[in-house]
Amino acid sequence: DVKVTQSSRYLVKRTGEKVFLECVQDMDHENMFWYRQDPGLGLRLIYFSYDVKMKEKGDIPEGYSVSREKKERFSLILESASTNQTSMYLCASGLTSPRVEQFFGPGTRLTVL
Amino acid sequence: KQEVTQIPAALSVPEGENLVLNCSFTDSAIYNLQWFRQDPGKGLTSLLLIQSSQREQTSGRLNASLDKSSGRSTLYIAASQPGDSATYLCAVRGNNRLAFGKGNQVVVIP
Repeated sequence: DVKVTQSSRYLVKRTGEKVFLECVQDMDHENMFWYRQDPGLGLRLIYFSYDVKMKEKGDIPEGYSVSREKKERFSLILESASTNQTSMYLCASGLTSPRVEQFFGPGTRLTVL
Repeated sequence: KQEVTQIPAALSVPEGENLVLNCSFTDSAIYNLQWFRQDPGKGLTSLLLIQSSQREQTSGRLNASLDKSSGRSTLYIAASQPGDSATYLCAVRGNNRLAFGKGNQVVVIP
């Protein structure tokens, strides 16, 4: 079974803090993704990576950066957390082939106070 | 830009009834369509994947159809159970990205 794990289920941080969200997958997938999910707005793509050290902006990259130093690990970084970044963050992974499914992690509920 | 719409946004059905959830998309140039289930506060669980060349896909009580030319998919859940209560999301795949609908929130009443 494909497994995508995220470092925390719940996280509470203060405004201005640097926040790291980590995602690990165990299926040797090339592609990894970070989404945020907000009521009424659905899932929105923040960043994705199609290979180690490669990244591409999604639809809402402002205020975020990412790091992919190893194939299995994809980190989302909030350089200076703000209250409008309070959200559910979902990581996903998949093979490069567009014919296969994406697999999601359990999510991290981040609250910024 | 691909737009994905799911109607209705929320519905309640009595236990035992069949569920019909609709998904429409604006750009028919897709590789596949994926249906997910999401329980409150949890991640997404993949239910069914339909390739663009397929018309339907079945798994147990779930059946999903795809009409690519008209930009529509339907998820049928037969003989609904209270455990089917969840939000169901559809997503269409174009190149590296999935485009998501906002979901159908389903409550099955015992």
